[in-house]
Amino acid sequence: NAGVTQTPKFQVLKTGQSMTLQCAQDMNHNSMYWYRQDPGMGLRLIYYSASEGTTDKGEVPNGYNVSRLNKREFSLRLESAAPSQTSVYFCASSERTLWGYGYTFGSGTRLTVV
Amino acid sequence: SQELEQSPQSLIVQEGKNLTINCTSSKTLYGLYWYKQKYGEGLIFLMMLQKGGEEKSHEKITAKLDEKKQQSSLHITASQPSHAGIYLCGADIIDSGGYQKVTFGTGTKLQVIP
Repeated sequence: NAGVTQTPKFQVLKTGQSMTLQCAQDMNHNSMYWYRQDPGMGLRLIYYSASEGTTDKGEVPNGYNVSRLNKREFSLRLESAAPSQTSVYFCASSERTLWGYGYTFGSGTRLTVV
Repeated sequence: SQELEQSPQSLIVQEGKNLTINCTSSKTLYGLYWYKQKYGEGLIFLMMLQKGGEEKSHEKITAKLDEKKQQSSLHITASQPSHAGIYLCGADIIDSGGYQKVTFGTGTKLQVIP
């Protein structure tokens, strides 16, 4: 099925460990995003990539890096995980339409940093 | 401050009851999206509204965008346990710098008691 695929679905890290969250979309969308979702704070944009070869910071980029490997893939890296990065992470892709942005989200990665 | 305010933050209703969730902005909403999220799953697109006064329905869920395009309501008729989850509104707005962007509300957690 067409959509956004995120891996892994669950992860537990120790403080200071590093990991990469993978995201791939097969809808030929130009734009891709990484969000984190925390209770009472809604979705907050970490980084986005408006097109292949470009990345930009969102609202909460500190502690993260991203790579737009190609048009399909957009990865999020935590170099040195901290407990404050415990969250649910969503990858999304979008394409601008006449009516606004059509967003498709992945199923999320639940990350716990201990 | 949150650009999109959702209310209530959480809701517990008895099966069969009707309910309404609101999404309000101080800015004009150029595209308003409603999503539903179940635990461990991604965000599922419900519907999109663009025009002032527009109303859309899908099964027992109806969403409306007011004439001023600053508030949307999501109404569920005769709620069922399958309606339980987190409902999230998202919208295209013009930020204070004049740039178009997408922002999300904080979500409304709905529980339906059999």
